[in-house]
Amino acid sequence: GDSVTQMEGPVTLSEEAFLTINCTYTATGYPSLFWYVQYPGEGLQLLLKATKADDKGSNKGFEATYRKETTSFHLEKGSVQVSDSAVYFCALSSTSSGSARQLTFGSGTQLTVLP
Amino acid sequence: DVKVTQSSRYLVKRTGEKVFLECVQDMDHENMFWYRQDPGLGLRLIYFSYDVKMKEKGDIPEGYSVSREKKERFSLILESASTNQTSMYLCASTPSTIGIAKNIQYFGAGTRLSVL
Repeated sequence: GDSVTQMEGPVTLSEEAFLTINCTYTATGYPSLFWYVQYPGEGLQLLLKATKADDKGSNKGFEATYRKETTSFHLEKGSVQVSDSAVYFCALSSTSSGSARQLTFGSGTQLTVLP
Repeated sequence: DVKVTQSSRYLVKRTGEKVFLECVQDMDHENMFWYRQDPGLGLRLIYFSYDVKMKEKGDIPEGYSVSREKKERFSLILESASTNQTSMYLCASTPSTIGIAKNIQYFGAGTRLSVL
């Protein structure tokens, strides 16, 4: 079945540091890929998405590129802020699935940014 | 703005109690989902519904049931709560349109359930 593997956290960075959170996936067909973010005390919200190979999703300074050859969708940000402290989830939706509306989530990576 | 509302943020129940978790969305979405979130395990799908009175099991349905009598409301039921059901429960919804839009899930703030 489909699966998503994220780098284990927690990750602690100083403000203005560079961020990478690794995400790799296993899926049949041609999945769409997502990053969701969960701020403290809140539900998940979509951060960015990519629907096909070589697509780059971006939002709020975060970027991720859909790499089919390495089955990866790593999240990056050039300069993190304290307000980026949250849990980040990588997810995929596989169009080959009979229940294509489902998402498969990674385990989440806790990011803490220190001032 | 999209809104998914879960009726309780925190809930404490006793072992053996019947527990209802309610979720309401105001976006006229066809699809609704219940997940549980546990540290190190991410989100795991319990049940989902693609239409009124329709439901499908997710990855971990054991010990849970659901009800969808109206399009906007999706209820998760723990028939006899157990301590291993202590968790954060998240509800989500998506529209039933073609393309990428149906895969973007909108989440509620979650219900943290403790079963003692």
